Amino acid sequence: GDSVTQMEGPVTLSEEAFLTINCTYTATGYPSLFWYVQYPGEGLQLLLKATKADDKGSNKGFEATYRKETTSFHLEKGSVQVSDSAVYFCALGYPAISSGSARQLTFGSGTQLTVLP
Amino acid sequence: EPEVTQTPSHQVTQMGQEVILRCVPISNHLYFYWYRQILGQKVEFLVSFYNNEISEKSEIFDDQFSVERPDGSNFTLKIRSTKLEDSAMYFCASSVRTAGEAFFGQGTRLTVV
Repeated sequence: GDSVTQMEGPVTLSEEAFLTINCTYTATGYPSLFWYVQYPGEGLQLLLKATKADDKGSNKGFEATYRKETTSFHLEKGSVQVSDSAVYFCALGYPAISSGSARQLTFGSGTQLTVLP
Repeated sequence: EPEVTQTPSHQVTQMGQEVILRCVPISNHLYFYWYRQILGQKVEFLVSFYNNEISEKSEIFDDQFSVERPDGSNFTLKIRSTKLEDSAMYFCASSVRTAGEAFFGQGTRLTVV
């Protein structure tokens, strides 16, 4: 079956440091890949996505590239801020195969990021 | 901005009791989901729902669980007889089309004592 593996946390960085959170996946088909973020006390929010190999998703200074050859989707940001402190989840999913099919996401275990001023 | 809302934010219940977790999905969304996250573990899929019936469910979603969309607005998850291991954060989500564009609620923390 499908699975997602994320680097273990927690990760603690100083403001303006470079961030990488590793994510690798195993999949039986050709999934889309996602990063979700959960700020304290809030629900999961879609941060970025990529739907096919070599696509780069980007949002709010975060980037991730869908690498089929290494089955990876690592999250990067060049300069983190205190406000980026959150839990980050890598996930994979498939579009609905028919209008009546609600396909679910498969999540990694999440990585807690703390950015210190 | 439209959002998925869940109530209550925290529920404490005694083992063996029934609980109902409530969710109001985004109004024009067609697909609805429940996920849970046991403390320190992965977010796990429970069930998806479309056109007033279950679309897919995981092995976690056994006979103790049921879902309902009673009034075209709410989407509920019922746990018939709670066990200690049901303690977790339960997330509701909804989407227009694909699972990856799902919007999540803030979660209900269920504590079974």
